[in-house]
Amino acid sequence: AQRVTQPEKLLSVFKGAPVELKCNYSYSGSPELFWYVQYSRQRLQLLLRHISRESIKGFTADLNKGETSFHLKKPFAQEEDSAMYYCALTSYGYYGNNRLAFGKGNQVVVIP
Amino acid sequence: NAGVTQTPKFRILKIGQSMTLQCTQDMNHNYMYWYRQDPGMGLKLIYYSVGAGITDKGEVPNGYNVSRSTTEDFPLRLELAAPSQTSVYFCASSRDRGHNSPLHFGNGTRLTVT
Repeated sequence: AQRVTQPEKLLSVFKGAPVELKCNYSYSGSPELFWYVQYSRQRLQLLLRHISRESIKGFTADLNKGETSFHLKKPFAQEEDSAMYYCALTSYGYYGNNRLAFGKGNQVVVIP
Repeated sequence: NAGVTQTPKFRILKIGQSMTLQCTQDMNHNYMYWYRQDPGMGLKLIYYSVGAGITDKGEVPNGYNVSRSTTEDFPLRLELAAPSQTSVYFCASSRDRGHNSPLHFGNGTRLTVT
């Protein structure tokens, strides 16, 4: 069974400091990983996905299959980065559909 | 497009009452999902559907029922509400499976059972 672990519930960083959110996964298949973000009073939305190897809002995440990790990083935190971040792993059920397993989430607070 | 729309936004139920959480999407997505979000517990999949007429259980289906009579709508039914069902419920949809189809979420329904 798939599992996603985000070890830190709350992360407080000063504006301009680097931020790193850790995500480790366990899955026997080929993983597809995502980071979702939920800003205050907004709906949960996709931030980035490993297959795209893109940088969104200054965030990057690299899939490390050897360490089974997909840590989210940003070199200089901004106040608007304060949000709840979820790491998610795709697995395929009976119908081969897109089912996501979510980690417990990280609350990020950027201190001005 | 409105995306994924959930109603109501808030609801308080008494133990044993029933209710239906509504979810509709206007993106013509095949896949739809219901998640519940408990504090410090992340999101857990309740039920999902890969198309009209097809539904299946997720991780925590007990106490819930769903139907998918149309592509647009995916209501979640609570028959006998229990305090353990106090949670925030999110409906989501995706066009397809895999990395090219991220989930689109509704704004959530905050349910309290007392």
